[in-house]
Amino acid sequence: DAGVTQSPTHLIKTRGQQVTLRCSPKSGHDTVSWYQQALGQGPQFIFQYYEEEERQRGNFPDRFSGHQFPNYSSELNVNALLLGDSALYLCASSGGLRGQLNTEAFFGQGTRLTVV
Amino acid sequence: GDSVTQMEGPVTLSEEAFLTINCTYTATGYPSLFWYVQYPGEGLQLLLKATKADDKGSNKGFEATYRKETTSFHLEKGSVQVSDSAVYFCALLNSGGSYIPTFGRGTSLIVHP
Repeated sequence: DAGVTQSPTHLIKTRGQQVTLRCSPKSGHDTVSWYQQALGQGPQFIFQYYEEEERQRGNFPDRFSGHQFPNYSSELNVNALLLGDSALYLCASSGGLRGQLNTEAFFGQGTRLTVV
Repeated sequence: GDSVTQMEGPVTLSEEAFLTINCTYTATGYPSLFWYVQYPGEGLQLLLKATKADDKGSNKGFEATYRKETTSFHLEKGSVQVSDSAVYFCALLNSGGSYIPTFGRGTSLIVHP
């Protein structure tokens, strides 16, 4: 089992650019959540996708958008990058067969985004 | 809303010392409780969990007991190793809520040889 995989591992972008981060969930999981973790902080929830729809959203601006594909993989897009968007972006998968939702989250290694 | 409070870090210990990291929570209903560990430069790994009151989660020598009466889930280890140096996050998942984990701010553990 490959677990949750994220790409790329590191990324450097210029202020104002756009970025796309990718995530493949753990086998058998159908729910993907994205988190932003600033240095020295806990993960902050961005949004969650289930059945290709955004189900929950945290307190992040519309510059942050996402998508889930039929194979449950997901993308996080951030437009008009700001210096403050520099962080570790974590993807977590959960859930499983028959719509079971109350399961623990399994995290990927994260994508370290640096905005210069 | 739901919340998790962890003790401030860093916690600095010598190898083979006893570890306690405090975690208390506020939630409606009957949440599941988790401890995650994050090693430098990596994502979060599930360390242990407990799904109902009085359950004890354990893994790799770490233990935590779900105490509903004190709304706590303190992490303990009898003898820490240098390799345990990491950031530890307490989290809850509320079955009656949004299915989104609520995390504490994390507690950094530094173990010296």
